[in-house]
Amino acid sequence: AQSVTQLDSQVPVFEEAPVELRCNYSSSVSVYLFWYVQYPNQGLQLLLKYLSGSTLVESINGFEAEFNKSQTSFHLRKPSVHISDTAEYFCAVSDIGTGGGNKLTFGTGTQLKVEL
Amino acid sequence: DVKVTQSSRYLVKRTGEKVFLECVQDMDHENMFWYRQDPGLGLRLIYFSYDVKMKEKGDIPEGYSVSREKKERFSLILESASTNQTSMYLCASSFLAGNTIYFGEGSWLTVV
Repeated sequence: AQSVTQLDSQVPVFEEAPVELRCNYSSSVSVYLFWYVQYPNQGLQLLLKYLSGSTLVESINGFEAEFNKSQTSFHLRKPSVHISDTAEYFCAVSDIGTGGGNKLTFGTGTQLKVEL
Repeated sequence: DVKVTQSSRYLVKRTGEKVFLECVQDMDHENMFWYRQDPGLGLRLIYFSYDVKMKEKGDIPEGYSVSREKKERFSLILESASTNQTSMYLCASSFLAGNTIYFGEGSWLTVV
């Protein structure tokens, strides 16, 4: 069985400051890793994903995450946040090749609050 | 553009009522999922389906059932709603061999 730990339930940060949202996972097999974002009163949107290849993946709005296999981590970073980044961020993991629909296991979420 | 539509955004139901939550996707995806989202607990998988009339239990199936009569539609059923089923319910879909799951906007259910 796999699990995901997001240690920080809330992260307050000032606009234009850097931010890191932490994610650690456990799994006995190889995994795919994801970050989803949820804006208020909306569903989840895929932010970025790691499937294979380069361990550093980027999103179109300036976020990046690095897969670290030895530390079983997939932390999300942004060098300079904007007010519009205020949202809840979920880390998720999927076992590779388990079939049955690529089920995702989610972390408990991190609420990013960007302040002026 | 990818579209997963949940027909009801906000519902209020009474304890003991039978509740249907409907979800439709227009992407010809084989997989469909129902998740429940609660503060501090993240998203938990209730049921998923990888084909018409096929279903598998997720992590918290108790008190729920599902129906998938057509490929594009996946219904979540609460046979007898209880107050502890008050929650946000999220439907999602993906290709069978795909690795990206697309979510609907969510259905807020309050059971009183």
